[in-house]
Amino acid sequence: DTGVSQDPRHKITKRGQNVTFRCDPISEHNRLYWYRQTLGQGPEFLTYFQNEAQLEKSRLLSDRFSAERPKGSFSTLEIQRTEQGDSAMYLCASSSPGSGLAGSYEQYFGPGTRLTVT
Amino acid sequence: AQKVTQAQTEISVVEKEDVTLDCVYETRDTTYYLFWYKQPPSGELVFLIRRNSFDEQNEISGRYSWNFQKSTSSFNFTITASQVVDSAVYFCALSEPFNSGYALNFGKGTSLLVTP
Repeated sequence: DTGVSQDPRHKITKRGQNVTFRCDPISEHNRLYWYRQTLGQGPEFLTYFQNEAQLEKSRLLSDRFSAERPKGSFSTLEIQRTEQGDSAMYLCASSSPGSGLAGSYEQYFGPGTRLTVT
Repeated sequence: AQKVTQAQTEISVVEKEDVTLDCVYETRDTTYYLFWYKQPPSGELVFLIRRNSFDEQNEISGRYSWNFQKSTSSFNFTITASQVVDSAVYFCALSEPFNSGYALNFGKGTSLLVTP
């Protein structure tokens, strides 16, 4: 069983450019989460999907951020008109539906995409 | 509002010492879930343990043990006989409610350095 994968691992972009990151969750995991982690901080929740439905997106940092999961498998996170403050690690996680209480399922994280905006 | 506090920013110990990482949380939910994750220098978060709010049994896994005390809203993590490979940043996390898909609310982490 392969883990969560993210692509690219590193992205350097100039301010004002758009960037898109991809996340492939563990197969059959129906929940997918995006987090942002800045230096010296814990990950910060951005949005999540259950299958293809984006059920929480109010925590996306601004309207420049958007995410999709078109077929309920992989997901993309796009940042438009990047700013230097967007420089961070962007983490994707997935969790299994399981058969117990939904909140108890651990989330498995990918290696992250490190974004540097110059 | 939910909050996770890890008051220890950095801890340095010598190999074979025991070390405890503190975690204090705040929540209004009656049912919630607590987690510990390890982030080694490679960067990938590794799941260590999950604890349900209605189960206050402490847990031991090898050199790792966890002490959950609802009365003090604490979920502390102890590493016995620490090893150099334990050097990492450790995060405590609290699950958010259902309407956030049980997303994780992380503390700021404790950086543990184990020296030979």
